[in-house]
Amino acid sequence: DAGITQSPRHKVTETGTPVTLRCHQTENHRYMYWYRQDPGHGLRLIHYSYGVKDTDKGEVSDGYSVSRSKTEDFLLTLESATSSQTSVYFCAIRPQSSYEQYFGPGTRLTVT
Amino acid sequence: QKEVEQDPGPLSVPEGAIVSLNCTYSNSAFQYFMWYRQYSRKGPELLMYTYSSGNKEDGRFTAQVDKSSKYISLFIRDSQPSDSATYLCAMSAPSGGSNYKLTFGKGTLLTVNP
Repeated sequence: DAGITQSPRHKVTETGTPVTLRCHQTENHRYMYWYRQDPGHGLRLIHYSYGVKDTDKGEVSDGYSVSRSKTEDFLLTLESATSSQTSVYFCAIRPQSSYEQYFGPGTRLTVT
Repeated sequence: QKEVEQDPGPLSVPEGAIVSLNCTYSNSAFQYFMWYRQYSRKGPELLMYTYSSGNKEDGRFTAQVDKSSKYISLFIRDSQPSDSATYLCAMSAPSGGSNYKLTFGKGTLLTVNP
């Protein structure tokens, strides 16, 4: 258990509404990541953070924004949700001086 | 050519069989290799990682890296129904600090039948 929680765990929302997903960690890791996982595509990096207020884009960042105002929380926002953003979203952390990542339990998002 | 290729399966084996899961990669800069196990509707769980060529063993699991062939494998001995899951390979090149990223295979679905 890497001390990662994600909330909500399940969400159904309508097209065009804003949605914020939260990732919370208890171990003060500097590096945090947001991925989406879809059949046929595997895990794809959306955004990542390397410190408070330090974030950068991943390979599928369009339509998503992130914020990190505290070490323990990394928020992913869909400003205006679309059906193509229906997916399972995973947060991950990476301990300093390591290359492996540890994942949270995921959030299953459905956009209708 | 994708950076990491992994046969999606599905792979179905009888209990007790030896399972071989494989990934190939094209980026010769990759030096760090990981295997994750993902049960249905759960997050990926780090199973094994290695930072070098050769074999690494942990109980019934052996991770093998052949950098000359750009090929990595995960072997499961005496497979159990509880090993039924999707197995993801992941790898990374050395990088400084903030721009480090993992590249994942798409996963192989394994079912071990009692």
